[in-house]
Amino acid sequence: AQTVTQSQPEMSVQEAETVTLSCTYDTSESNYYLFWYKQPPSRQMILVIRQEAYKQQNATENRFSVNFQKAAKSFSLKISDSQLGDTAMYFCAFMNSNTGKLIFGQGTTLQVKP
Amino acid sequence: GAVVSQHPSRVICKSGTSVKIECRSLDFQATTMFWYRQFPKKSLMLMATSNEGSKATYEQGVEKDKFLINHASLTLSTLTVTSAHPEDSSFYICSALQGGFYSNQPQHFGDGTRLSIL
Repeated sequence: AQTVTQSQPEMSVQEAETVTLSCTYDTSESNYYLFWYKQPPSRQMILVIRQEAYKQQNATENRFSVNFQKAAKSFSLKISDSQLGDTAMYFCAFMNSNTGKLIFGQGTTLQVKP
Repeated sequence: GAVVSQHPSRVICKSGTSVKIECRSLDFQATTMFWYRQFPKKSLMLMATSNEGSKATYEQGVEKDKFLINHASLTLSTLTVTSAHPEDSSFYICSALQGGFYSNQPQHFGDGTRLSIL
């Protein structure tokens, strides 16, 4: 069975600074997808970034980038130039390509301070 | 594009009543939808996979007679919490998968339903 672990329950960062959220996963599959979702206080799930396991190049979306280490089964999220609107709970997720199911980590609550 | 509408957003009802939650994909067809439950400040827990035209697949520990799922069309899945009790109070979120399992499309989430049973 696949598992996703986020070892940082809470983190804080000063506005305009950079922060990295960690995520590790465990799977025996070779083809899968990884995602980072953001859940602000409104509780809406917002896709931040995604990574296909077969791609070696790390995904980037504006201020958000990932460090995907397939051998180490690590998938960290870097937020550059943090903004107050980045304050939210962040979930790392693994998608089983055979079932489409998403397996979520425990989440990391990020507070961006002015 | 890829909008998922979930209704209602908030429900408050008495213990013993049944509550139906709808999940609609507005601008795409979704043969597969998912239902999650989330407790405050906790992660999303997958309850079941809803497949159009067939029976839902429930995760271990989820009572299928308590949480009835119907996916009668390519754009609508419903979750009915039957004979709801206070312990069923939670935040329920649906998602719809655009494209097949092997596509690189992510799941698209509804805005969730906050269910409170008095």
